[in-house]
Amino acid sequence: KAGVTQTPRYLIKTRGQQVTLSCSPISGHRSVSWYQQTPGQGLQFLFEYFSETQRNKGNFPGRFSGRQFSNSRSEMNVSTLELGDSALYLCASSLAGTGKHEQFFGPGTRLTVL
Amino acid sequence: AQSVTQLGSHVSVSEGALVLLRCNYSSSVPPYLFWYVQYPNQGLQLLLKYTTGATLVKGINGFEAEFKKSETSFHLTKPSAHMSDAAEYFCAVSSNSGGSNYKLTFGKGTLLTVNP
Repeated sequence: KAGVTQTPRYLIKTRGQQVTLSCSPISGHRSVSWYQQTPGQGLQFLFEYFSETQRNKGNFPGRFSGRQFSNSRSEMNVSTLELGDSALYLCASSLAGTGKHEQFFGPGTRLTVL
Repeated sequence: AQSVTQLGSHVSVSEGALVLLRCNYSSSVPPYLFWYVQYPNQGLQLLLKYTTGATLVKGINGFEAEFKKSETSFHLTKPSAHMSDAAEYFCAVSSNSGGSNYKLTFGKGTLLTVNP
């Protein structure tokens, strides 16, 4: 069974630009969560989508948004990039959500904002 | 609100020695607890989890953890460290405050170094 895939793996943008990251979950998984990982703040929850609906959201500004398609693939978008948005963005999928179910993580997208 | 504290951002052990990584959590409701491992330039991989039942849980690669409700702890141990165990380890808690919407909260991570 193929794992969680994320594209692109690396991205360089400049301040003020916007970026879209993509995540393909494991086949059959309906829940996709996104996390931001930085050396200073660690792993922080961005949001979770389940069956195309945002079910849970972390404490991030509205510049961070996401969506999920009918095939469970998910995208997250960051508008008006700031230097502090430089991070590893991780996507995770699970069968039914973040409760007691294991989340399977992709390799991440490394975003650098110059 | 739930939170996770991992004591020691960096732990160094000798090959063959005991590995002990500490995790304490706070949660207003019974939590689900997880340990994940992250190798360089990779995503996170689940080592083990506690949901209900037996408080001593065994995971992959010889790791185990014990859920102690009275101490709100979920420490990770391995009797004998191997060079391949060098990685960053994250403790996480998943709980909700009502309904079916859970949120996974991670600790800051502990970088494990294994010396030959």
